[in-house]
Amino acid sequence: QKEVEQDPGPLSVPEGAIVSLNCTYSNSAFQYFMWYRQYSRKGPELLMYTYSSGNKEDGRFTAQVDKSSKYISLFIRDSQPSDSATYLCAFPNAGNNRKLIWGLGTSLAVNP
Amino acid sequence: NAGVTQTPKFQVLKTGQSMTLQCAQDMNHEYMSWYRQDPGMGLRLIHYSVGAGITDQGEVPNGYNVSRSTTEDFPLRLLSAAPSQTSVYFCASSHPSGRAYTGELFFGEGSRLTVL
Repeated sequence: QKEVEQDPGPLSVPEGAIVSLNCTYSNSAFQYFMWYRQYSRKGPELLMYTYSSGNKEDGRFTAQVDKSSKYISLFIRDSQPSDSATYLCAFPNAGNNRKLIWGLGTSLAVNP
Repeated sequence: NAGVTQTPKFQVLKTGQSMTLQCAQDMNHEYMSWYRQDPGMGLRLIHYSVGAGITDQGEVPNGYNVSRSTTEDFPLRLLSAAPSQTSVYFCASSHPSGRAYTGELFFGEGSRLTVL
């Protein structure tokens, strides 16, 4: 079993749709949960991070963590064409917090 | 504030050639790292450094060397390029204080390397 699983997509939605992006993980020691966004031909940039379980909201974006199910989600409300990118989940390695465990990324296209 | 700057952006090499990918950051970050990104494989850590004079191996260090003589610069050297090193390479840095457990990385725009 991979340490992190993320459906690569591609996911295509119409503008204004609610988007749900998900990752599952196997290491119960993970405490920080991150979402990075990567535009085509650019480096990833941190979008949001959460600590432990629960929800965190930032504008149109909501990050959700369910530690009991080892499942994290990123919701995008009122999606815009500018949200078209690859979204990667990432987890600081519990044994070495400088090493991140990455999902493969989900490619999202928001169509006008 | 330029952030993380990588050069060159594109490079084509022949098998066996050597080259250096440059990375510089102007944010006074102690931590710097190199990743490669390949389709179906995701981001994989090559080498990282927690400060000047200190480097360590990541997941896929073979065929690559690094050094960290200054806080600002972290070059990645390919000793004898192989087609398997065709990839997109990203340099990333982070600030240690207050960020040690968040893993918030600042990435450069990438260097696209093709080895023929």
